[in-house]
Amino acid sequence: KAGVTQTPRYLIKTRGQQVTLSCSPISGHRSVSWYQQTPGQGLQFLFEYFSETQRNKGNFPGRFSGRQFSNSRSEMNVSTLELGDSALYLCASSLMPGGQADTQYFGPGTRLTVL
Amino acid sequence: GENVEQHPSTLSVQEGDSAVIKCTYSDSASNYFPWYKQELGKRPQLIIDIRSNVGEKKDQRIAVTLNKTAKHFSLHITETQPEDSAVYFCAASWDKLIFGTGTRLQVFP
Repeated sequence: KAGVTQTPRYLIKTRGQQVTLSCSPISGHRSVSWYQQTPGQGLQFLFEYFSETQRNKGNFPGRFSGRQFSNSRSEMNVSTLELGDSALYLCASSLMPGGQADTQYFGPGTRLTVL
Repeated sequence: GENVEQHPSTLSVQEGDSAVIKCTYSDSASNYFPWYKQELGKRPQLIIDIRSNVGEKKDQRIAVTLNKTAKHFSLHITETQPEDSAVYFCAASWDKLIFGTGTRLQVFP
């Protein structure tokens, strides 16, 4: 099976712009979670989608949003970009939603740089 | 809120020695504890996981132990090799995965 894919791999934006990142899960996986990775902070949970519904949300401002399509592909959007949004954004897919003790498989990430 | 603390943040060992990374979690409802390895410039990859009904699990040179009463779990790597050098993340899950801040392991030949 093909692994989790993310596009684009690299993005450079300026403050105030918005950005959309895409994640295609492993075929058959219906859960997609998003994480922000920064040096020293580890991986911080953004949100999880399962069957097109947001199941859970982390402690991020409303500028961070997401959605999931009927084919399980997911997008996340960040509006009004700030310098502190520069990070590696990782998505992970699993068969079952969070709470089911199911393995999450990560994509390669999108490296976002905000200037 | 839910929190996972991970120690140490960096760990240097000689090839062949053992390495131990420890994590504590705050949510007593957590029932799933995976460990991920992330090499430089690559995605995190699951190396071992343990569920709350098990106290210990081994896979070749890697083992994980879980103490639910104390709410801590540990990763043990024996006979370390240079290719074990990476950042290791622990995580705890009840309804979502909460990650520790990572341990950078360096194995010197």
